[in-house]
Amino acid sequence: EAQVTQNPRYLITVTGKKLTVTCSQNMNHEYMSWYRQDPGLGLRQIYYSMNVEVTDKGDVPEGYKVSRKEKRNFPLILESPSPNQTSLYFCASSELYNEQFFGPGTRLTVL
Amino acid sequence: AQTVTQSQPEMSVQEAETVTLSCTYDTSESDYYLFWYKQPPSRQMILVIRQEAYKQQNATENRFSVNFQKAAKSFSLKISDSQLGDAAMYFCAYRSADGATNKLIFGTGTLLAVQP
Repeated sequence: EAQVTQNPRYLITVTGKKLTVTCSQNMNHEYMSWYRQDPGLGLRQIYYSMNVEVTDKGDVPEGYKVSRKEKRNFPLILESPSPNQTSLYFCASSELYNEQFFGPGTRLTVL
Repeated sequence: AQTVTQSQPEMSVQEAETVTLSCTYDTSESDYYLFWYKQPPSRQMILVIRQEAYKQQNATENRFSVNFQKAAKSFSLKISDSQLGDAAMYFCAYRSADGATNKLIFGTGTLLAVQP
């Protein structure tokens, strides 16, 4: 089954404790992206990758890191999480310029 | 920079009735794509319908159709014969066709309730 998977689905952590949210797709897509969803703000892009080893900042990259060492994986790293990073996170993938497929979302709470 | 505006935070419709969700956008580009996504309580993002700006014909997918007014920069979603399963948050989104980022720019969403 073609899909985008994210882990974990739910995470509660404390300020400053490094964490990684994994994202994997099995559709051989070149493009992958991370969004965060906040009430009243919709979804905003954090980082994106057009291909392996090619990443770039989206609209809200502060406090996040990403890497794209393999085509299928695009982890989101929070080196020192803060409460303002409490949000719902989505990973998405697509062939370039085609429909984006979204993962199921990761609900992150930073205390 | 492009922006997408959804001016209706919440809407309500009776089952079997028709409802229209509004979306306006701002762009200086001539070629782009517009989308409506549905987000049910499961939080999954589901593509409902897409429209290419160069196409004059409005897109239709079963009970879902759009009214695309390029000059007015308006892109409304009409849901006909509303069903209980249509209750969800609906997001309007824009994507440039220039291929530079493939980024989706989202509106703030409209929460649709369907009354039995």
